[in-house]
Amino acid sequence: QKEVEQDPGPLSVPEGAIVSLNCTYSNSAFQYFMWYRQYSRKGPELLMYTYSSGNKEDGRFTAQVDKSSKYISLFIRDSQPSDSATYLCATGRGSSNTGKLIFGQGTTLQVKP
Amino acid sequence: DADVTQTPRNRITKTGKRIMLECSQTKGHDRMYWYRQDPGLGLQLIYYSFDVKDINKGEISDGYSVSRQAQAKFSLSLESAIPNQTALYFCATSDPGASSYNEQFFGPGTRLTVL
Repeated sequence: QKEVEQDPGPLSVPEGAIVSLNCTYSNSAFQYFMWYRQYSRKGPELLMYTYSSGNKEDGRFTAQVDKSSKYISLFIRDSQPSDSATYLCATGRGSSNTGKLIFGQGTTLQVKP
Repeated sequence: DADVTQTPRNRITKTGKRIMLECSQTKGHDRMYWYRQDPGLGLQLIYYSFDVKDINKGEISDGYSVSRQAQAKFSLSLESAIPNQTALYFCATSDPGASSYNEQFFGPGTRLTVL
């Protein structure tokens, strides 16, 4: 079993829809939870990070972590065609430890105009 | 901007050939990583280096080797390429002092095809 599981999709939604992307993880030692966004033919870039259970908002994006159920979510409100990309969840123990990140498989999202 | 660069961007080679992928960074970061990305498998860590003298194996190091020539340069070699090493390869860097969550900065990737 992989340490981080993510449904690879693909996911296709109309413009303006609310998108929900999800991951589960198995190791309770993980302390940091991130979402990376990867556009076609580009490297991943950090979109959001959090380290506690609950919600963190940044514009149209909300990252949610439930440590009790080991569940990570990313919500995108009012989705735009420019949000079309692959979204990868990632988790790790932090820089003070090895700093290694464990990535999910990535979910490919297409937002249709 | 081109803080993390990878060469070549695309490479087609034949089974048994030796291949080197190069990564350079101008971010001044000590930590560097090599990942491969396959459809449906996400990013898998091949090797990572915390400084020039510290190199560590990742999840899938078999068939690969690395060299950290300088703080800014980290190369990945396939000694004898095989078709199942066909993948997208990414180099990444991080600065442990900049963030507790170890944000990693990725290069644009190298698409490698082994025939």
